[in-house]
Amino acid sequence: DVKVTQSSRYLVKRTGEKVFLECVQDMDHENMFWYRQDPGLGLRLIYFSYDVKMKEKGDIPEGYSVSREKKERFSLILESASTNQTSMYLCASSPPFYEQYFGPGTRLTVT
Amino acid sequence: DQQVKQNSPSLSVQEGRISILNCDYTNSMFDYFLWYKKYPAEGPTFLISISSIKDKNEDGRFTVFLNKSAKHLSLHIVPSQPGDSAVYFCAASVGNNDMRFGAGTRLTVKP
Repeated sequence: DVKVTQSSRYLVKRTGEKVFLECVQDMDHENMFWYRQDPGLGLRLIYFSYDVKMKEKGDIPEGYSVSREKKERFSLILESASTNQTSMYLCASSPPFYEQYFGPGTRLTVT
Repeated sequence: DQQVKQNSPSLSVQEGRISILNCDYTNSMFDYFLWYKKYPAEGPTFLISISSIKDKNEDGRFTVFLNKSAKHLSLHIVPSQPGDSAVYFCAASVGNNDMRFGAGTRLTVKP
């Protein structure tokens, strides 16, 4: 069974804080993705990575950065959290050209 | 600008009847389409997919139809069961790598 784990289910941070969201997959997948889910907007792609140390911008990368130092781990970084980054964050992984497996999500609240 | 649109935010059907969820896309380069199902407090899980070389794919109670000329796909669930109640996301990709998701449709199946 593929397992994608995210470091926290719920997180509350203050405006201006640096926030790290961690994602780990145990299936040796090449591809990893970060999305945010907002009501009425569905899942929007923030960043993705096809390999270690590689990253590509998705549709809404502004205000975010990512790090992939190891194949199994993909981190999303909010350099200076803002209230409009309050959202559900979902990580996913997949082999190339295959459907994605999602983690349970992290609900981030920025106050 | 959303490339994948699900115009119905919600759908309610009676148990045993057919559920039809619709999805439209704008990018003619999309060649792989997927449906994901999401329960509360869980990540989305893959349900069924179809490539652009087909117009229909069936898996048990779930059938996905693709109309490339209309840039439209639909998911049929027959018969619908209360356990099918969830949010359904349509997704599309070029080469089944980075996907674009719709806003989701919340399906409620009433006993």
